[in-house]
Amino acid sequence: ETGVTQSPTHLIKTRGQQVTLRCSSQSGHNTVSWYQQALGQGPQFIFQYYREEENGRGNFPPRFSGLQFPNYSSELNVNALELDDSALYLCASSSGTGLYGYTFGSGTRLTVV
Amino acid sequence: GIQVEQSPPDLILQEGANSTLRCNFSDSVNNLQWFHQNPWGQLINLFYIPSGTKQNGRLSATTVATERYSLLYISSSQTTDSGVYFCAVSNSGNTPLVFGKGTRLSVIA
Repeated sequence: ETGVTQSPTHLIKTRGQQVTLRCSSQSGHNTVSWYQQALGQGPQFIFQYYREEENGRGNFPPRFSGLQFPNYSSELNVNALELDDSALYLCASSSGTGLYGYTFGSGTRLTVV
Repeated sequence: GIQVEQSPPDLILQEGANSTLRCNFSDSVNNLQWFHQNPWGQLINLFYIPSGTKQNGRLSATTVATERYSLLYISSSQTTDSGVYFCAVSNSGNTPLVFGKGTRLSVIA
């Protein structure tokens, strides 16, 4: 059974650029959630995808968008990067019922300069 | 939305000591998880414990859902236990997790 994998592990971008982060869900999981964790804070929910449809969104602007693919992998896209977007981005997957909870990947650390 | 409070915010222990971390939440939950975040940022799932008591080696957890709190016990702490411990909850089947601010644990030799 494979866990949740994220790529890339680290990324440096310039303000105003666009970035795409990728996540492969754990085998058997059809739900993917994305979280942003600023330094010294707890993870904040960005959005969630269930069977390729967005089914929940946190308090993030529209320049944060995502996709889920038929194999349940997912992408997080951020347009017009701002310095405050610098953070650890975490992906988590779960079964459709949420039973047994969420499994997290090791994250992508994004630095915007 | 649901609120999660963790205490203490910071904890320093001598190696071998025991500790208790607390998580209070503001509404009924059907998912509660304890995570350990290592220095590289990965969230390691310690327990899925919406109710009851579980043990895994030196770690154990208890959730009293009716009183809206959960406790994480660490016995005979080791330096490798250092890091940030998060409690996270959700209150329906497939809704996303809400995290507390974490407890930063430092275990010194």
